[in-house]
Amino acid sequence: GAGVSQSPSNKVTEKGKDVELRCDPISGHTALYWYRQSLGQGLEFLIYFQGNSAPDKSGLPSDRFSAERTGGSVSTLTIQRTQQEDSAVYLCASSSRGFMAEAFFGQGTRLTVV
Amino acid sequence: AQTVTQSQPEMSVQEAETVTLSCTYDTSESDYYLFWYKQPPSRQMILVIRQEAYKQQNATENRFSVNFQKAAKSFSLKISDSQLGDAAMYFCAYRSANRDDKIIFGKGTRLHILP
Repeated sequence: GAGVSQSPSNKVTEKGKDVELRCDPISGHTALYWYRQSLGQGLEFLIYFQGNSAPDKSGLPSDRFSAERTGGSVSTLTIQRTQQEDSAVYLCASSSRGFMAEAFFGQGTRLTVV
Repeated sequence: AQTVTQSQPEMSVQEAETVTLSCTYDTSESDYYLFWYKQPPSRQMILVIRQEAYKQQNATENRFSVNFQKAAKSFSLKISDSQLGDAAMYFCAYRSANRDDKIIFGKGTRLHILP
């Protein structure tokens, strides 16, 4: 596709349920990021994938959060046993290799836990 | 660890005026890249401008320019002739040039344009 695609755009879930958020990066991009943005707030880093290297998971807030990237392309962020404080916009970004490379962002998934 | 600080959570500027958004960062590295991203109400993040730390010349993109002060670890964004479409959240970001590392973002500055 032409840009980073995230699905679903919006997700409402009940507290305690598991959710999966999907990110399709730009074809050929080796780096993929997940960020969380609470209402009107800044970007909170969650996890970073770069090629075949071990992902940087240092931003995951708890063991309820996990992410994988299959075949170096599509990524799924999973939140288990969702809590109300998990409500936020989850942004995915990808970039090509190279330090000057800008990150291209998807439109995000707005997650609401009720 | 590197950090990026944006000390102004919100700013306002009159349309057609000039505004400067502040950003400071902390790093022990000498080679790195700095970015400013814009997030309008549509939520779509877009790159505004980028700067290579080894270049002394400040980057410029049309009405957007930066004031890069390496010794002070400061990277401010100047928006000239502010327009209503400039209203957005602006994020300052850092990326190491020495390692295949993640991009680190500041907490953002919300810019309001007053008609």
